[in-house]
Amino acid sequence: DIQMTQSPSSLSASVGDRVTITCRASQDISNHLNWYQHQPGKAPKVLIFTASTLQSGVPSRFSGSGSGTDFTLTISSLQPEDFATYYCQQSYSDSFSFGPGTKVGIK
Amino acid sequence: VQLVESGGGSVQPGGSLRLSCAASGFTFSYFWMHWVRQVPGKGLVWVARISGDGSRTNYADSVKGRFTISRDNAKNTVYLQMNSLRAEDTAVYYCLNWSEDYWGQGTLVTVSS
Repeated sequence: DIQMTQSPSSLSASVGDRVTITCRASQDISNHLNWYQHQPGKAPKVLIFTASTLQSGVPSRFSGSGSGTDFTLTISSLQPEDFATYYCQQSYSDSFSFGPGTKVGIK
Repeated sequence: VQLVESGGGSVQPGGSLRLSCAASGFTFSYFWMHWVRQVPGKGLVWVARISGDGSRTNYADSVKGRFTISRDNAKNTVYLQMNSLRAEDTAVYYCLNWSEDYWGQGTLVTVSS
């Protein structure tokens, strides 16, 4: 399986802050990288697919970049509803895999 | 759109369970279906997927040889047969249509003696 890592594992930020989460794949996955947001009690939802394409309905403060092995999710101005856990996921190989998650908490 | 999982419960190590996921609101046979699990308080882990016609399957290394994913398109249902269960398989199991980002509500599997 392709291994995914994320950093940081958690962070505390204030409303309005710019937040950056990084994700690294254990091998080249081209742009087959997706970002999910998971809030307690809700189903996860995809924010970004193919590394940088914003899912319909997702606010434009979310953006993704990267290719190959290194990827970034950026929230340009953190909003109260953005406090959640964020996961990257590779869909390059036949067996998908998630990163361990980054919990974004309130400072 | 609805995805409704069932079949979770408590089982002893080495035991078996079969999870079901009943789908509605989309053309089920068109889509690969996946299972993802989450240990309470931990991260999401991808488990398995099956093609729309059921001819192709893929598994995470951690469950390969123990779990089997299958589907019945006439019943709009996907299954996860889990054998030789271990304590580390304890989790909430979600089925999902990955392409459309449809998720079920999850069913809890507890493996404990």
